[in-house]
Amino acid sequence: EAQVTQNPRYLITVTGKKLTVTCSQNMNHEYMSWYRQDPGLGLRQIYYSMNVEVTDKGDVPEGYKVSRKEKRNFPLILESPSPNQTSLYFCASSLLGASYEQYFGPGTRLTVT
Amino acid sequence: KNQVEQSPQSLIILEGKNCTLQCNYTVSPFSNLRWYKQDTGRGPVSLTIMTFSENTKSNGRYTATLDADTKQSSLHITASQLSDSASYICVVGGGLSNFGNEKLTFGTGTRLTIIP
Repeated sequence: EAQVTQNPRYLITVTGKKLTVTCSQNMNHEYMSWYRQDPGLGLRQIYYSMNVEVTDKGDVPEGYKVSRKEKRNFPLILESPSPNQTSLYFCASSLLGASYEQYFGPGTRLTVT
Repeated sequence: KNQVEQSPQSLIILEGKNCTLQCNYTVSPFSNLRWYKQDTGRGPVSLTIMTFSENTKSNGRYTATLDADTKQSSLHITASQLSDSASYICVVGGGLSNFGNEKLTFGTGTRLTIIP
């Protein structure tokens, strides 16, 4: 089954404790992206990747890191989480180019206390 | 600044009734317009994608229209079902990121509730 998976689905952590949210897709997509979704703000792009070792900042990259060492995986790293990073996070993937459907993962709900 | 505005913010209708959701955008250059359905706590799922040359597209009981001249789109849901209760997000593709790929601008969604 074609899908985007994320782990963990739920995470409660404390300020400053480094964490990684994994994302994997099995569709051989070149493009992968991370979004955060907050009430009233819609989905905002954090980072995206066009292919292995090719990444760039989105609209809200502060406090996040990413890496793309394999085509299928695109982990999101929070080196020192803060309470304002409490949010619902989505990973997405698609073929590269305009008008291709973007497939979203199930989401990771992160709470930073 | 590229923007996508959706109305209404929320809508409650009776099961079996029809409804129409609106999307206005100011994204330039324009490439495509997408409608997504997002169930509570789950990832968005694509309903339709329309390019500049398309002015209507259907997916079952969902019909999207696009007027590229007025920069407006609508999503019409026919004979609503309880399972249609969700947020519906309008997304416009256009503009270019640093690597030359298209950027997506997301609306904040319309929360639709179907009551029996």
